[in-house]
Amino acid sequence: RKEVEQDPGPFNVPEGATVAFNCTYSNSASQSFFWYRQDCRKEPKLLMSVYSSGNEDGRFTAQLNRASQYISLLIRDSKLSDSATYLCVVKGATDSWGKLQFGAGTQVVVTP
Amino acid sequence: EAGVTQFPSHSVIEKGQTVTLRCDPISGHDNLYWYRRVMGKEIKFLLHFVKESKQDESGMPNNRFLAERTGGTYSTLKVQPAELEDSGVYFCASSVQKGTGTYNEQFFGPGTRLTVL
Repeated sequence: RKEVEQDPGPFNVPEGATVAFNCTYSNSASQSFFWYRQDCRKEPKLLMSVYSSGNEDGRFTAQLNRASQYISLLIRDSKLSDSATYLCVVKGATDSWGKLQFGAGTQVVVTP
Repeated sequence: EAGVTQFPSHSVIEKGQTVTLRCDPISGHDNLYWYRRVMGKEIKFLLHFVKESKQDESGMPNNRFLAERTGGTYSTLKVQPAELEDSGVYFCASSVQKGTGTYNEQFFGPGTRLTVL
């Protein structure tokens, strides 16, 4: 079983619509959770950290459900520039500089 | 401020040859990580340096891979001899060294695309 699992998509989203997707993680001892964004043939970039209480950053909302071991990302008012692969990332170590565990990514395609 | 840089951007080699990838972290970042993504799979951790010391090399696939970070600045990852399954994108990332309890964002380089024929 993979440590971090995501629906690969693609999620085809009309511009201005809302899209949401989840990922699940297998290690209940995981400490930190993130969403990274990766554009085609580019490096991953941190989109946002995910906190237990849920958090928002502009049009992006992330939620963490520790009991069910899943993380979600919601994008409101989708823009063409939101087209990318969204990587669910988990850090298991208790130290703050441990290795990251990546999901395979969810592809989002925003269409005009 | 310059980001993480990697060289080369692409490398095409034949099976059995040797390739050396280089990563220059962001200046002042003591933590340096290597990751790789093989075709169709997720990005996977290879190893982690703190300055010149290997903190965690649990992700290194086998002894054909050798990573070094002499002097605690740039790092090299050598694959010798390369096999077909080594093809993929090799990412380097770096982060600052702060205290525990906070997440120190890992900044990724653009990656080296390795093709083994």
